[in-house]
Amino acid sequence: AQRVTQPEKLLSVFKGAPVELKCNYSYSGSPELFWYVQYSRQRLQLLLRHISRESIKGFTADLNKGETSFHLKKPFAQEEDSAMYYCALPFSGGYNKLIFGAGTRLAVHP
Amino acid sequence: ETGVTQSPTHLIKTRGQQVTLRCSSQSGHNTVSWYQQALGQGPQFIFQYYREEENGRGNFPPRFSGLQFPNYSSELNVNALELDDSALYLCASSGGLAGGRDQYFGPGTRLLVL
Repeated sequence: AQRVTQPEKLLSVFKGAPVELKCNYSYSGSPELFWYVQYSRQRLQLLLRHISRESIKGFTADLNKGETSFHLKKPFAQEEDSAMYYCALPFSGGYNKLIFGAGTRLAVHP
Repeated sequence: ETGVTQSPTHLIKTRGQQVTLRCSSQSGHNTVSWYQQALGQGPQFIFQYYREEENGRGNFPPRFSGLQFPNYSSELNVNALELDDSALYLCASSGGLAGGRDQYFGPGTRLLVL
């Protein structure tokens, strides 16, 4: 069965520290993975997708098929990065029907 | 460009009642997906509408139903409400010439069932 697991409910770091938000998945075939973010009092929005191999707001994520992981990383956290982060992958055959993980709250302290 | 809007923002119902939630898709988008987000959980896919037809459904009972209109706005109907239906309901639009693969989420409707 397709599943997304985010093992940490809360990740608390100080400004300037490196950040790694963990995401593991189970999927048959070649998955397409996403990270969504929700800042306080804002709506859920796409942060990045693995097929674009892009860096958004300093965040990157690499798909590791061997470890079935798609961890989100940033070398130097900023206070404005504080938010809920959700890892997601599409249902088989439905690229815009998503399965979300439970989310990780990132708290960046000054 | 108008973003995804949802109404109402908050709603309180009692067990056994019926509720209708509304979503207006972003301009140019022809696909609307609905998600349920319980407290402390990620969004769970309920179903999707594409050009007024249901186009996929998650693990939700038939008392969750929907509609999509010719202007691509959508409704989510829930009959015989249960306490566990208390959640944030999100809609997301995508597709069409303007949207492509990305989903754009609305602010959500928070439903409380007493």
